[in-house]
Amino acid sequence: AQSVTQLGSHVSVSEGALVLLRCNYSSSVPPYLFWYVQYPNQGLQLLLKYTSAATLVKGINGFEAEFKKSETSFHLTKPSAHMSDAAEYFCAVSDTGNQFYFGTGTSLTVIP
Amino acid sequence: NAGVTQTPKFQVLKTGQSMTLQCAQDMNHNSMYWYRQDPGMGLRLIYYSASEGTTDKGEVPNGYNVSRLNKREFSLRLESAAPSQTSVYFCASTAEWAWDTEAFFGQGTRLTVV
Repeated sequence: AQSVTQLGSHVSVSEGALVLLRCNYSSSVPPYLFWYVQYPNQGLQLLLKYTSAATLVKGINGFEAEFKKSETSFHLTKPSAHMSDAAEYFCAVSDTGNQFYFGTGTSLTVIP
Repeated sequence: NAGVTQTPKFQVLKTGQSMTLQCAQDMNHNSMYWYRQDPGMGLRLIYYSASEGTTDKGEVPNGYNVSRLNKREFSLRLESAAPSQTSVYFCASTAEWAWDTEAFFGQGTRLTVV
């Protein structure tokens, strides 16, 4: 089975600072990788996905992620944090069975 | 578009009671899923339905049953609730059974078993 590891269950950044949320995956085959965001009291929504096309993937709200096969990583970044980015972020990988394996999540706090 | 709708949003049960969580999607999606979300554990798959008429166990199916009533609706039943089933439950759907499919989620049902 696939798995993902998100380093850091809580990340705090100042408004305007760089956001970096880490995700590493284990996979014996090329994976499909996703980042989802969950705002308080809401369901998850897709930020971006990697499906073996370009290794740098751009998503909504200024987020992007880079697939690095040599490091088995898919870290999420945003150059300048906004207060509205405060949320929980989940990295996920899908396998041949079309099941999504989610990481444990990273809660992002943006400090004014 | 309503997307994925879950009912109820909140529920408190006593140990041993039963209940059914309802989920409906209006996107004509083929595949539907039930997840539970617990602090520090992310989302774990309970059951899924790859297409109308089929259901399969996920990672944590014990204590649950599901019914794919039709293409739109996928319900989750707790026959005898236990405190360990206190969690937030999410229903999700995907257009098709494929590796790169985006999942659409409902807003969740917060269940407390006392």
